[in-house]
Amino acid sequence: EPEVTQTPSHQVTQMGQEVILRCVPISNHLYFYWYRQILGQKVEFLVSFYNNEISEKSEIFDDQFSVERPDGSNFTLKIRSTKLEDSAMYFCASSAGTGDTGELFFGEGSRLTVL
Amino acid sequence: KQEVTQIPAALSVPEGENLVLNCSFTDSAIYNLQWFRQDPGKGLTSLLLIQSSQREQTSGRLNASLDKSSGRSTLYIAASQPGDSATYLCAVIRDTDKLIFGTGTRLQVFP
Repeated sequence: EPEVTQTPSHQVTQMGQEVILRCVPISNHLYFYWYRQILGQKVEFLVSFYNNEISEKSEIFDDQFSVERPDGSNFTLKIRSTKLEDSAMYFCASSAGTGDTGELFFGEGSRLTVL
Repeated sequence: KQEVTQIPAALSVPEGENLVLNCSFTDSAIYNLQWFRQDPGKGLTSLLLIQSSQREQTSGRLNASLDKSSGRSTLYIAASQPGDSATYLCAVIRDTDKLIFGTGTRLQVFP
């Protein structure tokens, strides 16, 4: 069964460093998303991406964050100058459509720990 | 602003019980509602998607219903098993791409 894959599963970084989280969405999907979940809190939307551009972003997704689809299969989230509060599980998701027909499929997540 | 709430926050039941998890949302203008399962430290597994035109969806021992007018959905799990132990999340989507997640119900089924 097709699945969304994410790497790394866990990354530990020092505050102020840059991290890149990688995702391979399901191959025929067109819509891509990043969500995050701080320990003990709700899953929160970060950004959605379609047709090589951001379609929506939350207030969390400020200039520290960026997304890219560099090669037609990977979808990356870059976090510049990480802060302690960026520690969370980051989930990538993809869907074939949106709105009434858009079922999202999530990856296993990348746990980011900022020290 | 859409708010999604799940009750109860935690539930512990003996194996074999039928149980109901509740999800409520404040804005009834949704496109669809999706139920997920999350095991500790793991990703989100999609269980059921209910489109706005539908009233319910079934998959195996799971049945989810949707009442848009009252802003409610329920997830019914029949004949619960220890392997059903996990956190169950509901999420709604409206006219934008983003899912709004609920707070989750942590379920423990003991033998």
